[in-house]
Amino acid sequence: QKEVEQDPGPLSVPEGAIVSLNCTYSNSAFQYFMWYRQYSRKGPELLMYTYSSGNKEDGRFTAQVDKSSKYISLFIRDSQPSDSATYLCAMTSPGSGNTGKLIFGQGTTLQVKP
Amino acid sequence: DAGITQSPRYKITETGRQVTLMCHQTWSHSYMFWYRQDLGHGLRLIYYSAAADITDKGEVPDGYVVSRSKTENFPLTLESATRSQTSVYFCASSAEGGYTFGSGTRLTVV
Repeated sequence: QKEVEQDPGPLSVPEGAIVSLNCTYSNSAFQYFMWYRQYSRKGPELLMYTYSSGNKEDGRFTAQVDKSSKYISLFIRDSQPSDSATYLCAMTSPGSGNTGKLIFGQGTTLQVKP
Repeated sequence: DAGITQSPRYKITETGRQVTLMCHQTWSHSYMFWYRQDLGHGLRLIYYSAAADITDKGEVPDGYVVSRSKTENFPLTLESATRSQTSVYFCASSAEGGYTFGSGTRLTVV
């Protein structure tokens, strides 16, 4: 069993839809949680970064962490075709703080259709 | 320009050859990482470095060698390339708030 599980999709939604992307993890010691967006043939770019349980909002994006359930989510409101990309969740290994090595989910491919 | 750069962007090499992928960052971040990305596996950590002259293995280190004599450079060497090492390789550096990735090197071993 992988430490971080993420449904690879693909997920296809119409423009304007609310998108929910999710990851589960098995290691309760994970401390920092991140979401990366990766466009085709590009490197991943950091989208959201959270620490501890709760919600964090940035524009159309909301990251949610539920440590009790070992579950994290990324919500995208009013999705746009430009949001079409692969979204990877990531979290730090125990003791690494937020600068040490990350464990990534497999990534979910999202397509937003005009 | 500030940032993290990888070279080459594309590389085709033959089985058994040695090949080195370069990574350079301009921020003086302590931590640097090498990942490979393959369909069905996502990003897997090959090697990482906490500082100059300090390196450690990640999840899939076999067949790879790294060095870090200077903080800004973190080259990855495939000592004797195999077809299973065909992949996209990403270098990253980290500071408070997450990683910054390079644009990747697409390596094909024939």
